[in-house]
Amino acid sequence: GQNIDQPTEMTATEGAIVQINCTYQTSGFNGLFWYQQHAGEAPTFLSYNVLDGLEEKGRFSSFLSRSKGYSYLLLKELQMKDSASYLCAVLDSNYQLIWGAGTKLIIKP
Amino acid sequence: NAGVTQTPKFRILKIGQSMTLQCTQDMNHNYMYWYRQDPGMGLKLIYYSVGAGITDKGEVPNGYNVSRSTTEDFPLRLELAAPSQTSVYFCATSLGGESETQYFGPGTRLLVL
Repeated sequence: GQNIDQPTEMTATEGAIVQINCTYQTSGFNGLFWYQQHAGEAPTFLSYNVLDGLEEKGRFSSFLSRSKGYSYLLLKELQMKDSASYLCAVLDSNYQLIWGAGTKLIIKP
Repeated sequence: NAGVTQTPKFRILKIGQSMTLQCTQDMNHNYMYWYRQDPGMGLKLIYYSVGAGITDKGEVPNGYNVSRSTTEDFPLRLELAAPSQTSVYFCATSLGGESETQYFGPGTRLLVL
């Protein structure tokens, strides 16, 4: 079967750095996405990785290792508005997105 | 541009009732999707469409139907509502191809009692 694993919940302090991990086992791989979802709102796109390595976008970076079936999202200089769920999703061999359950990130002052 | 709009925002249904969830996009995207999101679970694909006149089942299609008569509209029909269909429903669009960034509507919260 296809499986995406992420921690259910994480807590971090304002101004700090947090790394949210995602491991996947899917039938084929055509890219990995990270989405942010604030409570009661729709998911919004953060990043897309298809090649190994680190993609940096301002305070957010995403890393991919295809050989290990592993990705992480790194958030720097955390702000209270970063409190949200972070969803990992993999594009499988049929170009359909397989979604993880999401990691709820709680930021404390 | 409004992007992706969904109506209604919230609805309560009785068991056995039917309803249509509306989704409209003005992004001229070919691909459209319907997902449901249950607490503590990942998004589950119900149906998707790669263009007007073409629809296909996703992971959890039972109890739902869709149509795609235009590029803009992709309604989701529940014929006989059941408590198991209580969920938040999201419509999404993408340009298609390898760049599968999806753009989501604000969601419809459905409660079946």
